Amino acid sequence: ETGVTQTPRHLVMGMTNKKSLKCEQHLGHNAMYWYKQSAKKPLELMFVYSLEERVENNSVPSRFSPECPNSSHLFLHLHTLQPEDSALYLCASSQDAPASYTGELFFGEGSRLTVL
Amino acid sequence: QKEVEQNSGPLSVPEGAIASLNCTYSDRGSQSFFWYRQYSGKSPELIMSIYSNGDKEDGRFTAQLNKDSQYVSLLIRDSQPSDSATYLCAVPTLSGNNRKLIWGLGTSLGVNP
Repeated sequence: ETGVTQTPRHLVMGMTNKKSLKCEQHLGHNAMYWYKQSAKKPLELMFVYSLEERVENNSVPSRFSPECPNSSHLFLHLHTLQPEDSALYLCASSQDAPASYTGELFFGEGSRLTVL
Repeated sequence: QKEVEQNSGPLSVPEGAIASLNCTYSDRGSQSFFWYRQYSGKSPELIMSIYSNGDKEDGRFTAQLNKDSQYVSLLIRDSQPSDSATYLCAVPTLSGNNRKLIWGLGTSLGVNP
């Protein structure tokens, strides 16, 4: 495996379900990110982890819960989501954090989430 | 609110033509600028970065930066159908005590054979 991999690629869940998105980076990077991409909106940064420590949380609702057990793995736990949470969730990594200093992010292919 | 603005398009050019994509930003303190390409159904990938006023060339791609006018552009020469994608402009800006990557909405480019 190379780069940044995300699973599952597609997820359909009801509003009462609990599910998790998984991200793994094989690049030896020190920072990992969760982004939300919705139609007609710019990419929205949700969470940033640097060396397994959360360094940014952009006022994301508590129904989204991140977990970073080590520098290679990142999870996004989902519970009691709303239909408006349907979107493409992208994981990214960068060599250094915060990536805004370099702007170079490596993205996974994304998890397409549909909330019914 | 710091912003990055792009014309959403769609921009349509014939194969072999020059495609010109523009981006304006509001934070005068920004020092670095990035262009990402996103194919339909895929994730963004970095294709160009520019830090100084002027032009930066990489193959068929040229990034142009004018900090006085606060715009950055991406030119694609000899456009190919494989260049059809959405191009995202991203600019690190100060937000409180942090620097954040602010993204434009992206410009959809279609290259017609």
